[in-house]
Amino acid sequence: GAVVSQHPSWVICKSGTSVKIECRSLDFQATTMFWYRQFPKQSLMLMATSNEGSKATYEQGVEKDKFLINHASLTLSTLTVTSAHPEDSSFYICSARPNYEAFFGQGTRLTVV
Amino acid sequence: DQQVKQNSPSLSVQEGRISILNCDYTNSMFDYFLWYKKYPAEGPTFLISISSIKDKNEDGRFTVFLNKSAKHLSLHIVPSQPGDSAVYFCAATRSSGNTPLVFGKGTRLSVIA
Repeated sequence: GAVVSQHPSWVICKSGTSVKIECRSLDFQATTMFWYRQFPKQSLMLMATSNEGSKATYEQGVEKDKFLINHASLTLSTLTVTSAHPEDSSFYICSARPNYEAFFGQGTRLTVV
Repeated sequence: DQQVKQNSPSLSVQEGRISILNCDYTNSMFDYFLWYKKYPAEGPTFLISISSIKDKNEDGRFTVFLNKSAKHLSLHIVPSQPGDSAVYFCAATRSSGNTPLVFGKGTRLSVIA
């Protein structure tokens, strides 16, 4: 299947700092990528849809100024958590759909201390 | 309102027996359904999918059944193996356009040796 690579797999940062998470499609071009967040024992919740060359579309309740998304090329989307706080600690996962199936990155465990 | 529901948070099955995981959806626009397996701190791994034009799709030990009129699908794993122990997510989407997946809350399957 298609490969989506996400980096880093885990990060610990201090409260108030910013963290960037990268999502790459390795063997296909992705004009659209999706960012999800999963809290413990919860489902994967869609945060935003990242569109290459244009603004991301955010789901209701997701702060666009806090979760900055950049999709500058057909193989790379980045999610930056700005001014991170402990409540932003979560598991973030990116996804892309080269065909009917969706493929996911390995996920990033963010811990804000 | 949850569009994809997995009402059983957990399921325990003996090795060699059949595991049946259930999923219900409410949005009649969904026409493509997928099952993913997920381990903690990892991205979901695609298992099997089904289009709304079919009522059954089989791949090795995994079979997915779709009942459109009931808006219900199920994943059958037979025979179940201890390595199948994980959280299984049901997801639904529209096949047209690059649309995100909507996930259920997951069912934790434990296969006991």
